[in-house]
Amino acid sequence: DVKVTQSSRYLVKRTGEKVFLECVQDMDHENMFWYRQDPGLGLRLIYFSYDVKMKEKGDIPEGYSVSREKKERFSLILESASTNQTSMYLCASSPSLLSGEQFFGPGTRLTVL
Amino acid sequence: SQQGEEDPQALSIQEGENATMNCSYKTSINNLQWYRQNSGRGLVHLILIRSNEREKHSGRLRVTLDTSKKSSSLLITASRAADTASYFCATYGKSNDYKLSFGAGTTVTVRA
Repeated sequence: DVKVTQSSRYLVKRTGEKVFLECVQDMDHENMFWYRQDPGLGLRLIYFSYDVKMKEKGDIPEGYSVSREKKERFSLILESASTNQTSMYLCASSPSLLSGEQFFGPGTRLTVL
Repeated sequence: SQQGEEDPQALSIQEGENATMNCSYKTSINNLQWYRQNSGRGLVHLILIRSNEREKHSGRLRVTLDTSKKSSSLLITASRAADTASYFCATYGKSNDYKLSFGAGTTVTVRA
């Protein structure tokens, strides 16, 4: 079974802090994604990566950056956390762009105070 | 960008009943996928239906797709308490630059 893990289930940070969210997948997938999920808005794509060291902006990249130094690991970085970044963050990986089927991690609920 | 829109937003049914939810979308697609999310957890892929398919089954799940109406439905038959979750449709295709585009979801509560 594909396993996607995220570094924390719950995280509480203060405004202005730098925050790292890590995601690791164990199935050698080329593609990895970061979403945020807010009530009534569904999932919105922040960034994605098709390969090591490659990244593409999603629909809401402002205030975020990403890093993919190894194929299995995709990190989301909040350079200076703000209260409006309080959200559920979901990481996903995908083996193929032909079907687009994605495998999700358990999510990190981030609260910024 | 959010393309799929689920209807209804919430659904409450008795155990053993069927649950039906609908998804409408706006542009052409390669496929449409349904995902389930249990409370506070990640999403789990349920079923994928390609644009040239009209109906697909997986266990107690039945998905239909009508590309002329740009709509899909997910039917869960003989519901169980464990089916309590949020269900999301997601469209995939060239018009989305081959990225999944999710709706806001339908929350299903199955009462024992």
